[in-house]
Amino acid sequence: NAGVMQNPRHLVRRRGQEARLRCSPMKGHSHVYWYRQLPEEGLKFMVYLQKENIIDESGMPKERFSAEFPKEGPSILRIQQVVRGDSAAYFCASSPARGGLNTEAFFGQGTRLTVV
Amino acid sequence: GNSVTQMEGPVTLSEEAFLTINCTYTATGYPSLFWYVQYPGEGLQLLLKATKADDKGSNKGFEATYRKETTSFHLEKGSVQVSDSAVYFCALGAGSYQLTFGKGTKLSVIP
Repeated sequence: NAGVMQNPRHLVRRRGQEARLRCSPMKGHSHVYWYRQLPEEGLKFMVYLQKENIIDESGMPKERFSAEFPKEGPSILRIQQVVRGDSAAYFCASSPARGGLNTEAFFGQGTRLTVV
Repeated sequence: GNSVTQMEGPVTLSEEAFLTINCTYTATGYPSLFWYVQYPGEGLQLLLKATKADDKGSNKGFEATYRKETTSFHLEKGSVQVSDSAVYFCALGAGSYQLTFGKGTKLSVIP
């Protein structure tokens, strides 16, 4: 039973390019959460999605960041026109039901984005 | 708002030493409390959890007790191993789908 799969594991982008981070939740999970870990910091919530719906994006920067979770395929976190401050580890988690993070949370291995 | 404060690292211990990593929290309501571990180059793994006051979570020799009176959830292990070297995160989930994390404590265990 595969866990939460994120790819790529490492991503290098030049300033101004776009970054696309993918997350495939665990089988049977329909809720996806994205977190960002800045250097020397804990993880910060960014966005919560269900299939084809954004439930809460209160932690996501208003500009340049977007997320989706289509009916088919992985969840995508997209960062347009990246800047050096976007360099971080981005983690995806999934759960089988709303509120699942209060009972069980499964995290992927993360994508480490470096902007040069 | 919700917050988690954990002891500053890094922490360096000799093998078989006793480990305590302090964690205190601020939250409304009755949160669930978690410890996550992040091994070098890896993602987060749930280490243990407690969902109500006085519950004790335990796993792999680690323990933490949910103390409502002191709003604490300190992580302990009686005898650490080199393989326990990692970053440990305390987190809370308070009635929603969001987890609030502490900044993490890096543990290094030397032979």
